[in-house]
Amino acid sequence: QQPVQSPQAVILREGEDAVINCSSSKALYSVHWYRQKHGEAPVFLMILLKGGEQKGHDKISASFNEKKQQSSLYLTASQLSYSGTYFCGTETSGGGADGLTFGKGTHLIIQP
Amino acid sequence: GAGVSQSPRYKVTKRGQDVALRCDPISGHVSLYWYRQALGQGPEFLTYFNYEAQQDKSGLPNDRFSAERPEGSISTLTIQRTEQRDSAMYRCASSRTRGAETQYFGPGTRLLVL
Repeated sequence: QQPVQSPQAVILREGEDAVINCSSSKALYSVHWYRQKHGEAPVFLMILLKGGEQKGHDKISASFNEKKQQSSLYLTASQLSYSGTYFCGTETSGGGADGLTFGKGTHLIIQP
Repeated sequence: GAGVSQSPRYKVTKRGQDVALRCDPISGHVSLYWYRQALGQGPEFLTYFNYEAQQDKSGLPNDRFSAERPEGSISTLTIQRTEQRDSAMYRCASSRTRGAETQYFGPGTRLLVL
């Protein structure tokens, strides 16, 4: 089952913060976050494993609430380079395919 | 190599023709994945390999689609008797091992079936 991402699109001014959410109806083993710019391949941001951990680097961080089967990506003091489409990809618990099931994406536009 | 490479980058074919899409993963990566991405959508899982073994092909749309990785490195995704609905970006990704590992995506092959 495809995870649900929200919001579908966000327009921000440079320096503002954003939160992107990813929810699944299935128990999750891991959540992978990617950013994709137009005409390019998805670029890996981070993986979160079940256990409710939070990760971050630079001004981008993410959390994973295993009980709620949700993950959130936090973009702090956004920069122009953060523009793009953000995808969460999920692995469900209990084995099965190790391929990721991606959401439909959240379009982020950062304006100067 | 430095990253995942795919060839051709663009493929235009006529309906009914067979096409073969190639993926060259990052050197030493055990796992290789094939995805299809429609415009404005997230990648859709097709199949994946650990070494030369195809572990899961549940995402392949129908039996016109097949994939192989005979020597555990380069992989080929073959679409037989192509149809217009097969038009999409086909992306390959590789990871160091299976499981919750970073998947690195290649540039993709844009397939257009006329």
